[in-house]
Amino acid sequence: GQQVQQSPASLVLQEGENAELQCNFSSTATQLQWFYQSPGGSLVSLLSNPSGTKHTGRLTSTTVTKERRSSLHISSSQTTDSGTYLCAPSGTGGYKVVFGSGTRLLVSP
Amino acid sequence: AQTIHQWPVAEIKAVGSPLSLGCTIKGKSSPNLYWYWQATGGTLQQLFYSITVGQVESVVQLNLSASRPKDDQFILSTEKLLLSHSGFYLCAWSRDTQYFGPGTRLLVL
Repeated sequence: GQQVQQSPASLVLQEGENAELQCNFSSTATQLQWFYQSPGGSLVSLLSNPSGTKHTGRLTSTTVTKERRSSLHISSSQTTDSGTYLCAPSGTGGYKVVFGSGTRLLVSP
Repeated sequence: AQTIHQWPVAEIKAVGSPLSLGCTIKGKSSPNLYWYWQATGGTLQQLFYSITVGQVESVVQLNLSASRPKDDQFILSTEKLLLSHSGFYLCAWSRDTQYFGPGTRLLVL
């Protein structure tokens, strides 16, 4: 089945610094989603990006489908960005979703 | 606007006791519905998904079952809880991406 590896496992930044998160997956994915999980556990969708580059606010995701990898760039980090970032590829139909173990981000003031 | 509710918010249950967790979606007809589970400090795992009323597909076997008795309702249950069932249970619905409920925290003692 699909295997997802995210790196780094954890990241500590000073406010204002940029972050680059990586996601590699083992099988073809027709959809690739990035989520944010708050320290309290709630999940929010950040970006859906099956291929190419997508921007929203301070976030940029680049997915290279053939190489089965995606990245999430966070610019000008803020303390409120602290939490866990999850990558989740899915196959045709999007019904089966496999999550990576996440990158835990801590942004200090 | 679509809203997703989960109940209860939290539960403490004894090993061997039954469990029923609920999820309701409002404002969206015929949604695709999902159950996920996350052990403390663990990776989010998809348990079940449902495309239509009465049909549920199992993704991971954890001695749990799911049912979809109504278009807007998804139920997760077991007759006998195990210690390993402790964790955080999340319900979600999908359109272009997945939208998660607030979750239920379960502690099995």
